[in-house]
Amino acid sequence: ETGVTQSPTHLIKTRGQQVTLRCSSQSGHNTVSWYQQALGQGPQFIFQYYREEENGRGNFPPRFSGLQFPNYSSELNVNALELDDSALYLCASSFASGGYGRNEQFFGPGTRLTVL
Amino acid sequence: AQSVTQLGSHVSVSEGALVLLRCNYSSSVPPYLFWYVQYPNQGLQLLLKYTSAATLVKGINGFEAEFKKSETSFHLTKPSAHMSDAAEYFCAVSQISGSARQLTFGSGTQLTVLP
Repeated sequence: ETGVTQSPTHLIKTRGQQVTLRCSSQSGHNTVSWYQQALGQGPQFIFQYYREEENGRGNFPPRFSGLQFPNYSSELNVNALELDDSALYLCASSFASGGYGRNEQFFGPGTRLTVL
Repeated sequence: AQSVTQLGSHVSVSEGALVLLRCNYSSSVPPYLFWYVQYPNQGLQLLLKYTSAATLVKGINGFEAEFKKSETSFHLTKPSAHMSDAAEYFCAVSQISGSARQLTFGSGTQLTVLP
């Protein structure tokens, strides 16, 4: 069974640039969630994708956007990067069969984004 | 909205001593609760989960947690700490956001194990 993978592992960008982070979900999972973890804090929910559509979003501005592909992999895009976007970005996959799906989410190793 | 509070951002124990990491939740409905562990420069690993079955939940690596509705608590324990348990631990509650089931995390507790 393949776990959740993310790429790249580290990324350095400058303020105002755009970034794309990628995630491959665990085998058998069809739902992907993205979280932002700032240094010294717990992860914060950004959004979730199910059946290639966003079905829930946390308190993040529209410059945070995403995609889910037919193979259930996902991208997180952040436009107009700000210094405060520096964080560990975590992808989590889970399985949903209608409704709200199961509770258990499995996390990837994360992408460390530094904005200078 | 549901939330969790972790008491103690840093906990130190001696190797072989009891580990107790505290988590209190706030929820108007029966919660689904989780403990995750994060090792340096890694993602989150699920330790255990409570989904309204048994109130005493056993997880991996010898950890367990007890759901106490009267105290709105879900504390994590391990009878004997190992050096390899040094990590950050997060308590989380699952809640609905739109049509999604999201996790809301506490601020974490850094566990140090002293030789």
